[in-house]
Amino acid sequence: AQSVAQPEDQVNVAEGNPLTVKCTYSVSGNPYLFWYVQYPNRGLQFLLKYITGDNLVKGSYGFEAEFNKSQTSFHLKKPSALVSDSALYFCAVRDSDSWGKFQFGAGTQVVVTP
Amino acid sequence: EAGVTQSPTHLIKTRGQQVTLRCSPISGHTSVYWYQQALGLGLQFLLWYDEGEERNRGNFPPRFSGRQFPNYSSELNVNALELEDSALYLCASSLALDGDSYEQYFGPGTRLTVT
Repeated sequence: AQSVAQPEDQVNVAEGNPLTVKCTYSVSGNPYLFWYVQYPNRGLQFLLKYITGDNLVKGSYGFEAEFNKSQTSFHLKKPSALVSDSALYFCAVRDSDSWGKFQFGAGTQVVVTP
Repeated sequence: EAGVTQSPTHLIKTRGQQVTLRCSPISGHTSVYWYQQALGLGLQFLLWYDEGEERNRGNFPPRFSGRQFPNYSSELNVNALELEDSALYLCASSLALDGDSYEQYFGPGTRLTVT
């Protein structure tokens, strides 16, 4: 069985401040982890993924995420948020034993204020 | 390069009717996924097709079905529509899963309203 949790419905941050969006997961095998972003009136866009290798993954638009196996977390981070980062962010996981069946979190709304 | 396309954009149906949604993947992608995004519920995995075969399905009743054609486009069929089927239906495509896990590219979705 696999599951993913995004504990915060909304994250508010001032422009220029660090941004963190939390994600925890549960899988029986090895996790394949993804972050996607959904801008208003636009489709979901891929940001980054962790399959194997370095725990720190760098992605699009200056985002990065750190895979922490002991804490079963894959938090999304950006050192300096922009107003244009305001969007809905989804964490997704696929268990290595569960081909094609991706579990998405409920999403976290990020609001960046000027 | 054209992205994932879906049709129609919006659809209004009456309870009990049947609906067909269509998706064209990115050229070269053989895997197609369908998701339901109901208000406040995030994305729920519906179906995965690869090379014309249904490879996996989520926890949805059998009235949700689909198929993938030889050109890798796909249809999602929903029979006996219920009010709670009202949602945004998203299609995504990816390269095939060959021991790795590729990111998915999403279409803009079909907004289905059941009255």
